[in-house]
Amino acid sequence: QVQLVESGGGVVQPGRSLRLSCAASGFIFRSYGMHWVRQAPGKGLEWVAVVSHDGRNKYYADSAKGRFTISRDNSKNTLSLQMNNLRAEDTAVYHCAKDVRIEAAAQDYWGQGTRVTVSS
Amino acid sequence: AVQLTQSPSSLSASVGDRVIITCRASQGISTALAWYQQKPGKTPELLIYDASNLKSGVPSSFSGSGSGTEFALTISSLQPEDFATYYCQQFHDFPLTFGGGTRVDIK
Repeated sequence: QVQLVESGGGVVQPGRSLRLSCAASGFIFRSYGMHWVRQAPGKGLEWVAVVSHDGRNKYYADSAKGRFTISRDNSKNTLSLQMNNLRAEDTAVYHCAKDVRIEAAAQDYWGQGTRVTVSS
Repeated sequence: AVQLTQSPSSLSASVGDRVIITCRASQGISTALAWYQQKPGKTPELLIYDASNLKSGVPSSFSGSGSGTEFALTISSLQPEDFATYYCQQFHDFPLTFGGGTRVDIK
């Protein structure tokens, strides 16, 4: 069965960096696009970024452009999100999610998420 | 960015009711739309993709329709486990965007 397990969240001061990871199993990782989607406390879903199956194409939400970098290692079945210059408004639960296709379409499996709190 | 407007933002319904949630896109997105269900404290789950394709394992009481700018999620007969928040998402253009959500409560 598909499993996505995020890690790397925590409490961080504004302006600092954090790197999130997602370990994937139960499917052919290299064949699907992978996303990060976040949800601030009590709020709706916000898409953050996607990387294509081969890692060549990456797209970001405006809120993430220039600060966040999505990457993947198909040899290790892992997805990452490097987050720099964090702001209070980045506080959220971050989910990794598998795409139904090779790049960017719907997300058919989601991890439980890792919580990021940006606070001084 | 493509804006998605869901209506209503919340509704109260009874078990057995037929429920329709709409999602309007600010520009045409063909059928590049998905619907998700999220229960309190749980991870979102995909229900429908490509506007009308039911994900395997999702009850047939759920259906999706629409194209262009107008879309709908229909629950033909509401069950107790269907009380949740529902989100639409477009994947026609980057950045991908979600609607604001529709909360379905028990009447």
